[in-house]
Amino acid sequence: TQLLEQSPQFLSIQEGENLTVYCNSSSVFSSLQWYRQEPGEGPVLLVTVVTGGEVKKLKRLTFQFGDARKDSSLHITAAQPGDTGLYLCAGAYTGNQFYFGTGTSLTVIP
Amino acid sequence: DTEVTQTPKHLVMGMTNKKSLKCEQHMGHRAMYWYKQKAKKPPELMFVYSYEKLSINESVPSRFSPECPNSSLLNLHLHALQPEDSALYLCASSHRTGDPYEKLFFGSGTQLSVL
Repeated sequence: TQLLEQSPQFLSIQEGENLTVYCNSSSVFSSLQWYRQEPGEGPVLLVTVVTGGEVKKLKRLTFQFGDARKDSSLHITAAQPGDTGLYLCAGAYTGNQFYFGTGTSLTVIP
Repeated sequence: DTEVTQTPKHLVMGMTNKKSLKCEQHMGHRAMYWYKQKAKKPPELMFVYSYEKLSINESVPSRFSPECPNSSLLNLHLHALQPEDSALYLCASSHRTGDPYEKLFFGSGTQLSVL
């Protein structure tokens, strides 16, 4: 199992604040995905990044893939209580092997 | 239909029981997955089926036995489980193999408790 380390592991912030979550590995991935999971539900895909250095924006969320395709970051601007959840990065290899990062549990306090 | 349906939602079983978890999708996806997730931990890959054939087994103990009867169905047969096997079992599917933009669609999971 390839290890993807996320930091921080837990994050509790006030509504309106900005935050960044990091996903790091020593492995190179063909693509990297970010998922959000709410309690009692399966993860839901937010974005896929494929090209080294790629930046994608999804409303208040900005995703970046490292130049070497080993790391990624998720930045949330003006966090809202609805952003609360478990954020998971997942690295993909060929052959349908998707391995999840260690997870970041985000709580946004109204 | 963009759903992956898992049944049952909750399951309590003894260590000598035999039970099965079921997963169904009608999106025409040809890859299906089982993941195990402990509380506040990330999902761990268990098995991958590609075109109804087992392509990846992440060294899962034989008390877990997967089965893919057809392209829409995926089962996980459970026998002689241990209390440490208690977890959320997630099924996922994806369109096809080897595409870097491939997206995993997850079911809501089966919360399993082994007594």
